[in-house]
Amino acid sequence: AQSVTQLDSQVPVFEEAPVELRCNYSSSVSVYLFWYVQYPNQGLQLLLKYLSGSTLVKGINGFEAEFNKSQTSFHLRKPSVHISDTAEYFCAVSESGGYQKVTFGTGTKLQVIP
Amino acid sequence: KAGVTQTPRYLIKTRGQQVTLSCSPISGHRSVSWYQQTPGQGLQFLFEYFSETQRNKGNFPGRFSGRQFSNSRSEMNVSTLELGDSALYLCASSLQGLNTEAFFGQGTRLTVV
Repeated sequence: AQSVTQLDSQVPVFEEAPVELRCNYSSSVSVYLFWYVQYPNQGLQLLLKYLSGSTLVKGINGFEAEFNKSQTSFHLRKPSVHISDTAEYFCAVSESGGYQKVTFGTGTKLQVIP
Repeated sequence: KAGVTQTPRYLIKTRGQQVTLSCSPISGHRSVSWYQQTPGQGLQFLFEYFSETQRNKGNFPGRFSGRQFSNSRSEMNVSTLELGDSALYLCASSLQGLNTEAFFGQGTRLTVV
């Protein structure tokens, strides 16, 4: 069974500064990886996903993530954050192929400070 | 295109009661998954339905059940409610399965008193 660890429960960062949200996963098979964002009182929205191919994945709102198989990581980055990026971010993993269930991490709250 | 619709948005129930939550997926989506979200546990997978059949199941007790109708709408039922069932219940729909691309509803916030 797969699992996901988001090491930071909260990350404060000043506006226009870069940010990295960390995600590590565990799985005995090939995986698909995802990052979702949840704004207050909203459902989750897909930011980006890695299924195969290039290990650097670009998503919406200027976010990107890099799949590192040797370190079993999929960290999310943005070079310059905005107030509107304040939200909770979830990393998720599933086994590749077929229609597998998706396991989510416990989330990282990004607080952008003006 | 309408998004995923969950009803009701808020619900207050008493311990021991049962509750039914509803989810209408995006038109054309055949996969519907349910998650329980709590501050301490994050998102916990409940189950997934595809074309009216349960395809995947999480580790929840039998008090949690679901079903999917021929129009892909799904319901989730929780019987004999416990205080610990208080949570945000999220529904997600996708064309084929959650590990492709999923679209989430705004959730139903259930409070058990």
